[in-house]
Amino acid sequence: GAGVSQSPSNKVTEKGKDVELRCDPISGHTALYWYRQRLGQGLEFLIYFQGNSAPDKSGLPSDRFSAERTGESVSTLTIQRTQQEDSAVYLCASSLAGFSGNTIYFGEGSWLTVV
Amino acid sequence: DAKTTQPPSMDCAEGRAANLPCNHSTISGNEYVYWYRQIHSQGPQYIIHGLKNNETNEMASLIITEDRKSSTLILPHATLRDTAVYYCIVRLPYSGTYKYIFGTGTRLKVLA
Repeated sequence: GAGVSQSPSNKVTEKGKDVELRCDPISGHTALYWYRQRLGQGLEFLIYFQGNSAPDKSGLPSDRFSAERTGESVSTLTIQRTQQEDSAVYLCASSLAGFSGNTIYFGEGSWLTVV
Repeated sequence: DAKTTQPPSMDCAEGRAANLPCNHSTISGNEYVYWYRQIHSQGPQYIIHGLKNNETNEMASLIITEDRKSSTLILPHATLRDTAVYYCIVRLPYSGTYKYIFGTGTRLKVLA
């Protein structure tokens, strides 16, 4: 497809389990972003990739959260030992190189519910 | 640490123009102003962006003041489907990252 693709679209997991969320950016987009949005709240920046490097990880809330990107394409956000407060929609976005004038486009998100 | 200020909510009658203001008084010369909207918790949808000149596309118009300290997004003929949260965003100056910081946005309700 032409847009940012995320999977799974919905995930219910038990507290303490690990989860992986996947993002396929738009082809040719070298910049990739992860955001989190809790119910009724705003978007929180998590991490930014330029190519396979992550120059900005400042938004990752704890060491239970990690992300990687390979082949300047797919990215995976991993949450270890999930907690109920991790319940949120996780949004991925991509753009051509991170220059201010390049628009970022969002996927539809992965809804995570920790029970 | 969002760099923009927007009213928390606005109402607009269906078929009328919706004018959504945004203040970005600390914007620097090479920073673009972007507008997105989000319906429920779907992924934010890109609407329009601009640097200095007014811009128009099939969705909206963007009016940027001459001093670039504020802008207005105009939806010329609002429909019920335009009910959403609208975010005005200025990207942070490059310091190793090009992330967007989203503020709280304006919740626009289009009324029948």
